[in-house]
Amino acid sequence: GIQVEQSPPDLILQEGANSTLRCNFSDSVNNLQWFHQNPWGQLINLFYIPSGTKQNGRLSATTVATERYSLLYISSSQTTDSGVYFCAVERATGFQKLVFGTGTRLLVSP
Amino acid sequence: GAGVSQTPSNKVTEKGKYVELRCDPISGHTALYWYRQSLGQGPEFLIYFQGTGAADDSGLPNDRFFAVRPEGSVSTLKIQRTERGDSAVYLCASSPGTSQGYEQYFGPGTRLTVT
Repeated sequence: GIQVEQSPPDLILQEGANSTLRCNFSDSVNNLQWFHQNPWGQLINLFYIPSGTKQNGRLSATTVATERYSLLYISSSQTTDSGVYFCAVERATGFQKLVFGTGTRLLVSP
Repeated sequence: GAGVSQTPSNKVTEKGKYVELRCDPISGHTALYWYRQSLGQGPEFLIYFQGTGAADDSGLPNDRFFAVRPEGSVSTLKIQRTERGDSAVYLCASSPGTSQGYEQYFGPGTRLTVT
């Protein structure tokens, strides 16, 4: 099956810092989503981005489908950004299901 | 509008018992998915419904697990003869389309603990 790798696995930032999270995937995809899992376990949709670039406030994301990677940018980080960030993909040929990466655990300290 | 809802939010059961977990998808969403998340890992796919039928159940770990969606809306995940290894958060998601490439929206999950 498709492999999804995220880096770094852990990240510690001071409030106000910027960061870049990376997601590599091993096959063509129809769907790529970025999620933030908050401390209560809720998966919050950040971006639906199978290709191209999107921005939402302090967050932006870029997917280069031909090179099989996606980047999530967090600017001016806040303590509420803490949690686990997951990248999930749906393989272009095959069944309709998301395959998740192992996540990046982010801790933003005041 | 309302998001995906799941009940109960927490379930503690004894080994060997039967449990049912319920999912209410976003109104009008035709596709429904179940995933399972163990501690420290990303969610893993269990089963996918298009309407009332299970289009892909390849992620169900064994025949103790079964899911239904009789009217194409609410779904129930059923686990027989629970084992301690079944302890996890069970997540439900829905999407508006039945072909590939639609965004999935997740519920808050049911935390199952088997003692």
